[in-house]
Amino acid sequence: EAQVTQNPRYLITVTGKKLTVTCSQNMNHEYMSWYRQDPGLGLRQIYYSMNVEVTDKGDVPEGYKVSRKEKRNFPLILESPSPNQTSLYFCASSLRAGGQPQHFGDGTRLSIL
Amino acid sequence: AQKVTQAQTEISVVEKEDVTLDCVYETRDTTYYLFWYKQPPSGELVFLIRRNSFDEQNEISGRYSWNFQKSTSSFNFTITASQVVDSAVYFCASSNDYKLSFGAGTTVTVRA
Repeated sequence: EAQVTQNPRYLITVTGKKLTVTCSQNMNHEYMSWYRQDPGLGLRQIYYSMNVEVTDKGDVPEGYKVSRKEKRNFPLILESPSPNQTSLYFCASSLRAGGQPQHFGDGTRLSIL
Repeated sequence: AQKVTQAQTEISVVEKEDVTLDCVYETRDTTYYLFWYKQPPSGELVFLIRRNSFDEQNEISGRYSWNFQKSTSSFNFTITASQVVDSAVYFCASSNDYKLSFGAGTTVTVRA
């Protein structure tokens, strides 16, 4: 089954404790991206990756890091999480860039206390 | 930079009514793509439609239809004869070759 898998689905943690949200896709997609969803703001793009070892900032990259060492994986790293990063996070992938429909994971709800 | 505005925060209708969701976009790109996604109460994001900037043809898919007008920078979405299962948050989005921008979303509630 074609899918984008995020882990964990839920996480409550404390300020400053490094965490990683994993994202994996099994569709051999070139393009992957991370979004955060906040009430009244819709989804905002954090980082995206055009292919292996090619990443770039989205609209809200502050406080986040990503890496793309393998085509299927695109982890999101919060080195020193803060309460304003409490949000619902989605990973997505598409066959390539250039306006392809995104396949989204089921989301990860992060609470930073 | 791209910007998408969904002015309607919430819409509530009775079943079988039609509902139109507005979407206005801003972009400097000559080639761009427009999307609608649905987020039902279960939380997943479901792709509904994509249009590129060179294709202004309107589209109908069952009870769903989309009206793309470059002259007004709008990409509106109509649900005809709404059903309770249409209750969801609907997002309009715009992208260039690599960045995707979403509107704030419109929550549609269809009452039986």
